[in-house]
Amino acid sequence: GIQVEQSPPDLILQEGANSTLRCNFSDSVNNLQWFHQNPWGQLINLFYIPSGTKQNGRLSATTVATERYSLLYISSSQTTDSGVYFCAESQGGSEKLVFGKGTKLTVNP
Amino acid sequence: NAGVTQTPKFHILKIGQSMTLQCTQDMNHNYMYWYRQDPGMGLKLIYYSVGAGITDKGEVPNGYNVSRSTTEDFPLRLELAAPSQTSVYFCASSYGQTYGYTFGSGTRLTVV
Repeated sequence: GIQVEQSPPDLILQEGANSTLRCNFSDSVNNLQWFHQNPWGQLINLFYIPSGTKQNGRLSATTVATERYSLLYISSSQTTDSGVYFCAESQGGSEKLVFGKGTKLTVNP
Repeated sequence: NAGVTQTPKFHILKIGQSMTLQCTQDMNHNYMYWYRQDPGMGLKLIYYSVGAGITDKGEVPNGYNVSRSTTEDFPLRLELAAPSQTSVYFCASSYGQTYGYTFGSGTRLTVV
């Protein structure tokens, strides 16, 4: 099945810093999504981005489908950005989303 | 809109007991999913449904059953609970394959 690899596994930042999270895929990109899981466990969909670039406030994402990777950019990080960021891609273009193990982000004040 | 609602939020189950985790969505989404998340891990798909009356297995279906009699509801049944089923369970829904997911707030289940 499709393999989803995220890096780095852990990231610690000072408030105000920028960061880039990466997601690599072993198969073609069809249904790429980024999620944020806050410290209370709630999962929020950030982007649906099978290709191209999208921006939402301080967050943006780029997917290069031909090279099978996606990047999530966080600018001017805030303590509320802390949590785990997951990327996910569907198994063989099906309805089955496969999740990476996540990047744990800690933003210190 | 309430979005995706899961009940209960927490539950302790004894080994061998059975229970049903409830999931309801009010967004008229056709697709619904059940995932489990173990500590420090990503999410693994248990079962999913592309519409009322249609369900299919995901990556880790053993020990679970589902039904989808209505568009809104997608309950997950645990039969003969085992300690390995201790996990956080998330229900999600979407309009379809090319749409983003909306997750419920999760059910933290402990089997002792």
